[in-house]
Amino acid sequence: DTAVSQTPKYLVTQMGNDKSIKCEQNLGHDTMYWYKQDSKKFLKIMFSYNNKELIINETVPNRFSPKSPDKAHLNLHINSLELGDSAVYFCASSQVTQTQETQYFGPGTRLLVL
Amino acid sequence: GESVGLHLPTLSVQEGDNSIINCAYSNSASDYFIWYKQESGKGPQFIIDIRSNMDKRQGQRVTVLLNKTVKHLSLQIAATQPGDSAVYFCAETPVRILTGGGNKLTFGTGTQLKVEL
Repeated sequence: DTAVSQTPKYLVTQMGNDKSIKCEQNLGHDTMYWYKQDSKKFLKIMFSYNNKELIINETVPNRFSPKSPDKAHLNLHINSLELGDSAVYFCASSQVTQTQETQYFGPGTRLLVL
Repeated sequence: GESVGLHLPTLSVQEGDNSIINCAYSNSASDYFIWYKQESGKGPQFIIDIRSNMDKRQGQRVTVLLNKTVKHLSLQIAATQPGDSAVYFCAETPVRILTGGGNKLTFGTGTQLKVEL
C-alpha cells in the first residue's frame, strides 16, 4: 500500500545509454513531480505535471523527457546518459486543497552512470 | 538569485535533549514553508508546514517558528530520539497555487541531525 512508488530502486548504466524510471502514486493526487538530488543532498525540482499536463520544466536538458500516461503515473526517460546525470531521482505527488499542499515523495531511484 | 539556506550542515545532540534546526530564506514573497525529514536511503518525509500569516505551529514533538522580519525559519524537536537522526530540509514556495498544480518548492541545503546516546 505504498503511496508513491518508483522503479527501479537502483540503476547502473553506461554513458550514452537510454533509460527510463517509472513512478506511480495511489493517493488520487492530480499533480506529480520529478526531483533530482545530487551527491551533496541538494534537491532540485525538474518537472511537474497536473492531470497529465506539463506545468513546470526547470530548464532541464531535453535529453530528459517526462511522460504521463495518466494522472497516477509520471515516468522519466533519459536519452544519451552522461556522467553528470548520476544522482538520486525522486518522484513526488500532491493535491492542493484549501488547507494543505504537501508533496509526498517516493523512495528514490539511485542512478549511476559509468 | 533567491535561495533557501541552512546555517549549520551538521547538528549533534544528546538523546532526550531538544534540537533546533535553523533555516534562512531570501525570497520575501515566500508564502508557504515546509520541513522535511530524509532518512538514509529514503525519500523526504513531510514533518510540518507553516504559512506566512502564522509565526508558530506545533505538531507532535515538533514546533516550527517563522520570523518574517529576518526571513528565518526554525524547527524545534523536543526530547530528541535516535529515530530523529536524519537530514532535515526546509523548503519554501512563494505563491500558494490552489489549482493547476505545481507548487515550485525550493529546498534548502539540508542539516544532518545526529542523536548521540
